Amino acid sequence: AQSVTQLDSQVPVFEEAPVELRCNYSSSVSVYLFWYVQYPNQGLQLLLKYLSGSTLVESINGFEAEFNKSQTSFHLRKPSVHISDTAEYFCAVTSNNNDMRFGAGTRLTVKP
Amino acid sequence: EAGVAQSPRYKIIEKRQSVAFWCNPISGHATLYWYQQILGQGPKLLIQFQNNGVVDDSQLPKDRFSAERLKGVDSTLKIQPAKLEDSAVYLCASSRWGLAGRGAGEQFFGPGTRLTVL
Repeated sequence: AQSVTQLDSQVPVFEEAPVELRCNYSSSVSVYLFWYVQYPNQGLQLLLKYLSGSTLVESINGFEAEFNKSQTSFHLRKPSVHISDTAEYFCAVTSNNNDMRFGAGTRLTVKP
Repeated sequence: EAGVAQSPRYKIIEKRQSVAFWCNPISGHATLYWYQQILGQGPKLLIQFQNNGVVDDSQLPKDRFSAERLKGVDSTLKIQPAKLEDSAVYLCASSRWGLAGRGAGEQFFGPGTRLTVL
Protein backbone atom coordinates (compact mmCIF):
# COMPACT_ATOMS: atom_id res chain seq x y z
CA ALA A 1 0.00 0.00 0.00
CA GLN A 2 1.07 3.53 -0.60
CA SER A 3 1.95 6.06 2.10
CA VAL A 4 2.74 9.74 2.38
CA THR A 5 5.19 11.65 4.55
CA GLN A 6 4.95 15.38 4.99
CA LEU A 7 8.28 16.43 6.33
CA ASP A 8 7.22 19.61 8.12
CA SER A 9 4.34 19.80 10.56
CA GLN A 10 4.48 23.60 10.74
CA VAL A 11 5.90 26.21 8.40
CA PRO A 12 5.87 29.85 9.52
CA VAL A 13 6.71 32.40 6.85
CA PHE A 14 6.41 36.13 6.32
CA GLU A 15 4.03 37.58 3.78
CA GLU A 16 5.44 37.81 0.23
CA ALA A 17 8.18 35.30 1.00
CA PRO A 18 8.50 32.07 -0.98
CA VAL A 19 7.44 28.79 0.58
CA GLU A 20 7.92 25.08 -0.04
CA LEU A 21 5.88 22.36 1.64
CA ARG A 22 7.55 19.00 1.29
CA CYS A 23 5.87 15.71 0.49
CA ASN A 24 7.37 12.29 -0.13
CA TYR A 25 5.42 9.19 -1.01
CA SER A 26 6.00 5.47 -1.05
CA SER A 27 4.35 3.14 -3.52
CA SER A 28 5.17 0.07 -5.55
CA VAL A 29 2.81 1.02 -8.37
CA SER A 30 2.00 4.07 -10.44
CA VAL A 31 0.47 6.82 -8.39
CA TYR A 32 -1.70 9.87 -8.62
CA LEU A 33 -0.76 12.74 -6.32
CA PHE A 34 -2.79 15.55 -4.81
CA TRP A 35 -2.53 18.56 -2.58
CA TYR A 36 -5.58 19.52 -0.55
CA VAL A 37 -6.00 22.68 1.53
CA GLN A 38 -8.10 22.99 4.65
CA TYR A 39 -9.00 26.44 5.92
CA PRO A 40 -10.13 26.77 9.55
CA ASN A 41 -13.51 25.14 10.21
CA GLN A 42 -13.89 24.09 6.60
CA GLY A 43 -13.63 20.85 4.66
CA LEU A 44 -10.73 19.89 2.43
CA GLN A 45 -10.50 21.51 -0.99
CA LEU A 46 -8.46 20.20 -3.89
CA LEU A 47 -5.58 22.55 -4.65
CA LEU A 48 -3.91 20.67 -7.49
CA LYS A 49 -3.28 17.17 -8.78
CA TYR A 50 -0.89 15.13 -10.85
CA LEU A 51 -2.41 12.31 -12.89
CA SER A 52 -0.12 12.06 -15.92
CA GLY A 53 1.67 14.20 -18.49
CA SER A 54 3.61 17.28 -17.44
CA THR A 55 5.27 16.78 -14.10
CA LEU A 56 4.71 20.42 -13.15
CA VAL A 57 1.15 21.24 -12.15
CA GLU A 58 -0.27 24.57 -11.12
CA SER A 59 -3.25 25.88 -9.19
CA ILE A 60 -5.28 28.97 -9.95
CA ASN A 61 -3.98 30.82 -6.90
CA GLY A 62 -0.26 30.63 -7.67
CA PHE A 63 0.76 27.33 -6.09
CA GLU A 64 2.64 24.73 -8.10
CA ALA A 65 3.93 21.23 -7.44
CA GLU A 66 6.37 19.05 -9.30
CA PHE A 67 6.15 15.29 -9.51
CA ASN A 68 9.63 13.82 -9.17
CA LYS A 69 9.50 10.08 -9.68
CA SER A 70 13.17 9.43 -8.92
CA GLN A 71 12.92 11.34 -5.64
CA THR A 72 9.37 10.06 -4.95
CA SER A 73 8.41 13.60 -4.09
CA PHE A 74 5.61 16.05 -4.84
CA HIS A 75 6.64 19.28 -3.13
CA LEU A 76 4.30 22.27 -3.13
CA ARG A 77 5.71 25.73 -3.80
CA LYS A 78 4.58 29.32 -4.04
CA PRO A 79 6.94 32.18 -4.92
CA SER A 80 5.12 34.78 -2.81
CA VAL A 81 2.57 33.93 -0.12
CA HIS A 82 -0.33 35.99 1.19
CA ILE A 83 -1.95 36.14 4.60
CA SER A 84 -4.93 34.34 3.09
CA ASP A 85 -2.76 31.29 2.34
CA THR A 86 -2.69 30.47 6.06
CA ALA A 87 -4.20 26.99 6.27
CA GLU A 88 -3.44 23.30 6.71
CA TYR A 89 -2.10 21.59 3.59
CA PHE A 90 -2.40 17.85 3.00
CA CYS A 91 -0.52 15.79 0.45
CA ALA A 92 -2.31 12.63 -0.71
CA VAL A 93 -1.57 9.66 -2.93
CA THR A 94 -3.72 7.06 -4.61
CA SER A 95 -3.24 4.34 -7.16
CA ASN A 96 -5.59 2.31 -9.32
CA ASN A 97 -7.57 1.02 -6.37
CA ASN A 98 -8.53 4.59 -5.51
CA ASP A 99 -7.47 4.07 -1.89
CA MET A 100 -6.34 7.60 -1.04
CA ARG A 101 -3.76 8.02 1.71
CA PHE A 102 -3.14 11.40 3.30
CA GLY A 103 -0.09 12.81 5.00
CA ALA A 104 -0.32 14.23 8.50
CA GLY A 105 -0.55 17.77 7.16
CA THR A 106 1.57 20.92 7.22
CA ARG A 107 0.27 24.01 8.93
CA LEU A 108 1.31 27.06 6.94
CA THR A 109 1.19 30.30 8.92
CA VAL A 110 1.79 33.50 6.98
CA LYS A 111 2.79 36.41 9.17
CA PRO A 112 2.55 40.10 8.23
CA GLU B 1 -23.73 22.43 -8.14
CA ALA B 2 -24.40 21.80 -4.46
CA GLY B 3 -21.52 20.43 -2.43
CA VAL B 4 -21.34 17.48 -0.07
CA ALA B 5 -23.68 18.01 2.87
CA GLN B 6 -23.11 16.64 6.34
CA SER B 7 -25.02 16.83 9.59
CA PRO B 8 -24.75 17.53 12.38
CA ARG B 9 -21.74 19.86 12.33
CA TYR B 10 -20.97 19.29 15.99
CA LYS B 11 -21.84 16.55 18.45
CA ILE B 12 -20.90 16.04 22.08
CA ILE B 13 -21.71 12.73 23.76
CA GLU B 14 -20.70 10.69 26.78
CA LYS B 15 -18.59 7.57 26.31
CA ARG B 16 -20.61 4.42 25.70
CA GLN B 17 -23.39 6.42 24.05
CA SER B 18 -24.33 6.00 20.40
CA VAL B 19 -24.09 8.58 17.64
CA ALA B 20 -24.93 8.77 13.95
CA PHE B 21 -23.70 11.04 11.19
CA TRP B 22 -25.40 11.74 7.89
CA CYS B 23 -23.93 12.56 4.49
CA ASN B 24 -25.49 13.59 1.20
CA PRO B 25 -22.96 13.46 -1.64
CA ILE B 26 -22.89 15.55 -4.78
CA SER B 27 -25.62 14.47 -7.17
CA GLY B 28 -24.42 11.83 -9.62
CA HIS B 29 -21.32 10.87 -7.67
CA ALA B 30 -21.06 7.10 -7.54
CA THR B 31 -18.38 6.85 -4.88
CA LEU B 32 -18.73 7.93 -1.28
CA TYR B 33 -16.08 7.92 1.42
CA TRP B 34 -16.04 8.34 5.18
CA TYR B 35 -12.84 9.57 6.80
CA GLN B 36 -11.81 10.04 10.40
CA GLN B 37 -9.52 13.00 11.09
CA ILE B 38 -8.02 13.05 14.55
CA LEU B 39 -6.58 16.37 15.69
CA GLY B 40 -3.10 16.86 14.28
CA GLN B 41 -3.39 14.02 11.77
CA GLY B 42 -4.42 13.61 8.18
CA PRO B 43 -7.75 12.04 7.26
CA LYS B 44 -7.88 8.26 7.53
CA LEU B 45 -10.25 6.34 5.28
CA LEU B 46 -12.84 4.36 7.22
CA ILE B 47 -15.03 3.07 4.42
CA GLN B 48 -15.57 3.52 0.70
CA PHE B 49 -18.83 2.83 -1.16
CA GLN B 50 -19.29 2.39 -4.88
CA ASN B 51 -23.00 3.05 -5.39
CA ASN B 52 -24.50 1.04 -2.54
CA GLY B 53 -21.76 -1.59 -2.29
CA VAL B 54 -18.74 -1.51 0.02
CA VAL B 55 -15.42 -1.29 -1.82
CA ASP B 56 -13.08 -0.97 1.14
CA ASP B 57 -13.80 -1.11 4.87
CA SER B 58 -10.46 -2.52 5.99
CA GLN B 59 -9.82 0.33 8.42
CA LEU B 60 -13.32 0.48 9.90
CA PRO B 61 -13.44 -0.74 13.54
CA LYS B 62 -16.33 -3.03 12.88
CA ASP B 63 -16.95 -3.90 16.53
CA ARG B 64 -18.32 -0.39 17.07
CA PHE B 65 -18.57 1.40 13.73
CA SER B 66 -21.08 0.70 10.99
CA ALA B 67 -22.04 2.48 7.81
CA GLU B 68 -24.64 2.08 5.12
CA ARG B 69 -25.63 3.59 1.81
CA LEU B 70 -28.89 1.85 1.11
CA LYS B 71 -30.04 3.52 -2.10
CA GLY B 72 -26.63 4.49 -3.41
CA VAL B 73 -27.08 8.14 -2.47
CA ASP B 74 -27.16 9.25 1.19
CA SER B 75 -25.05 7.51 3.78
CA THR B 76 -24.99 7.20 7.54
CA LEU B 77 -22.07 6.36 9.79
CA LYS B 78 -22.81 5.08 13.28
CA ILE B 79 -20.68 4.56 16.35
CA GLN B 80 -22.05 2.31 19.07
CA PRO B 81 -20.77 2.52 21.77
CA ALA B 82 -18.44 5.51 21.53
CA LYS B 83 -15.04 5.64 23.18
CA LEU B 84 -12.94 8.62 24.17
CA GLU B 85 -10.52 7.94 21.31
CA ASP B 86 -13.34 8.37 18.78
CA SER B 87 -13.18 12.13 19.32
CA ALA B 88 -12.36 13.44 15.86
CA VAL B 89 -13.78 15.15 12.81
CA TYR B 90 -15.67 12.76 10.55
CA LEU B 91 -15.43 13.77 6.93
CA CYS B 92 -17.59 12.59 4.10
CA ALA B 93 -16.39 12.88 0.52
CA SER B 94 -17.69 11.86 -2.88
CA SER B 95 -16.24 11.41 -6.32
CA ARG B 96 -17.73 10.87 -9.73
CA TRP B 97 -15.79 7.74 -10.58
CA GLY B 98 -14.60 4.83 -8.50
CA LEU B 99 -11.57 3.96 -10.56
CA ALA B 100 -8.42 6.01 -10.89
CA GLY B 101 -7.73 7.33 -14.33
CA ARG B 102 -11.28 8.54 -14.87
CA GLY B 103 -11.26 11.83 -12.99
CA ALA B 104 -8.97 9.94 -10.70
CA GLY B 105 -9.26 10.58 -7.03
CA GLU B 106 -10.77 14.04 -7.20
CA GLN B 107 -12.80 13.80 -4.05
CA PHE B 108 -15.08 16.56 -2.90
CA PHE B 109 -15.31 16.93 0.85
CA GLY B 110 -18.09 18.03 3.12
CA PRO B 111 -17.49 20.37 6.08
CA GLY B 112 -17.25 17.46 8.52
CA THR B 113 -18.84 16.58 11.86
CA ARG B 114 -16.77 17.35 14.91
CA LEU B 115 -17.40 14.65 17.54
CA THR B 116 -16.37 15.11 21.15
CA VAL B 117 -16.65 12.10 23.45
CA LEU B 118 -16.52 12.94 27.15
